[in-house]
Amino acid sequence: AQSVTQPDIHITVSEGASLELRCNYSYGATPYLFWYVQSPGQGLQLLLKYFSGDTLVQGIKGFEAEFKRSQSSFNLRKPSVHWSDAAEYFCAVDGGAQKLVFGQGTRLTINP
Amino acid sequence: DVKVTQSSRYLVKRTGEKVFLECVQDMDHENMFWYRQDPGLGLRLIYFSYDVKMKEKGDIPEGYSVSREKKERFSLILESASTNQTSMYLCASREPGEGSNQPQHFGDGTRLSIL
Repeated sequence: AQSVTQPDIHITVSEGASLELRCNYSYGATPYLFWYVQSPGQGLQLLLKYFSGDTLVQGIKGFEAEFKRSQSSFNLRKPSVHWSDAAEYFCAVDGGAQKLVFGQGTRLTINP
Repeated sequence: DVKVTQSSRYLVKRTGEKVFLECVQDMDHENMFWYRQDPGLGLRLIYFSYDVKMKEKGDIPEGYSVSREKKERFSLILESASTNQTSMYLCASREPGEGSNQPQHFGDGTRLSIL
């Protein structure tokens, strides 16, 4: 069965620092992969998605993610974080039958 | 922009009550989903629907049922609420595409407390 692991439950970075959130997936074929962000008290908003082609995908709010098949990873990056990036981030993989399988989430805290 | 609206942001109910959570989307999407979100567990799929009057069990359907009488509306029903159903509930919709390459669009969630 498909699964997603986000190894970091909570990450703290300073404003202006670079960010990388890790995501590892388990899937037999070429996966469809997504990153979502959830601000406090809100639903999930799509940051970016990977289906095929270029392994580096660009998203909204200055985020990007790189698909690495050899490592079964789809890590999210941002060169310089802003205080407004504080949120919870979810990685998800197509679970087949039009379902998504989500990771446990990574909570991001930004130090001023 | 896709709009997914959940009828309540906060809800408090008592053990044993029948609880209805409503979700409406405005983009004529065929696929709709109900998740619950708990700390450390991420989002877990309860039920989903491919079309009107169609429903499929997700990963944790026990204690829940759903109703899809109209395309735009997908209701989650707690038949007899219990305290372990206290959680955040999220509704989502998506248009069908090749495989699952269309993203899901989420509502703002309903935080349900069962006393």
